[in-house]
Amino acid sequence: SQQGEEDPQALSIQEGENATMNCSYKTSINNLQWYRQNSGRGLVHLILIRSNEREKHSGRLRVTLDTSKKSSSLLITASRAADTASYFCATDAFGNEKLTFGTGTRLTIIP
Amino acid sequence: DGGITQSPKYLFRKEGQNVTLSCEQNLNHDAMYWYRQDPGQGLRLIYYSQIVNDFQKGDIAEGYSVSREKKESFPLTVTSAQKNPTAFYLCASSIARLAGGNYEQYFGPGTRLTVT
Repeated sequence: SQQGEEDPQALSIQEGENATMNCSYKTSINNLQWYRQNSGRGLVHLILIRSNEREKHSGRLRVTLDTSKKSSSLLITASRAADTASYFCATDAFGNEKLTFGTGTRLTIIP
Repeated sequence: DGGITQSPKYLFRKEGQNVTLSCEQNLNHDAMYWYRQDPGQGLRLIYYSQIVNDFQKGDIAEGYSVSREKKESFPLTVTSAQKNPTAFYLCASSIARLAGGNYEQYFGPGTRLTVT
């Protein structure tokens, strides 16, 4: 079963603009992670946010978490062509070793 | 170089044949995972292992089997019982689950299996 759903499913923006994608999930979580996947490749971990955190930054990435709304957002500022990829959120629940992945947002940066 | 290797990158098999996908890691991670990804979809967990000689079924284990005889290796066999085996298969590893349970997974490059 897939816990998370990313929104939008696809997003195209001009290089230099900011990109925002959202993740909603159904059950209480322990942590939420964001991963990037370039076409035909493995996933790369971007950032992890714990359930007691509200915001986290890493370089041009900003992640927020609202546990009351069961949602998270990933903001990529000053986008670059190299940011073109699919982005997935993944959650894990207390006492559960498994990660459950969402369906992904396909981001295209137009040069 | 530390990381996860999967081989081969592309694999073609005839229907009815079993096929084994390789996954090796030199990160000294205890936990390893196998996922399946279909076009335009997220990842679905097939099997995972937290420790050598032990593994658990994920969400879609039917038609698959695994072994974990060594810490570094977690091969996946796609059996003829798997009804729709054509997919992109991803292996991942992570450190053992810590108290508080936060960890990230490191992924291999994937194997694209086509069964005709």
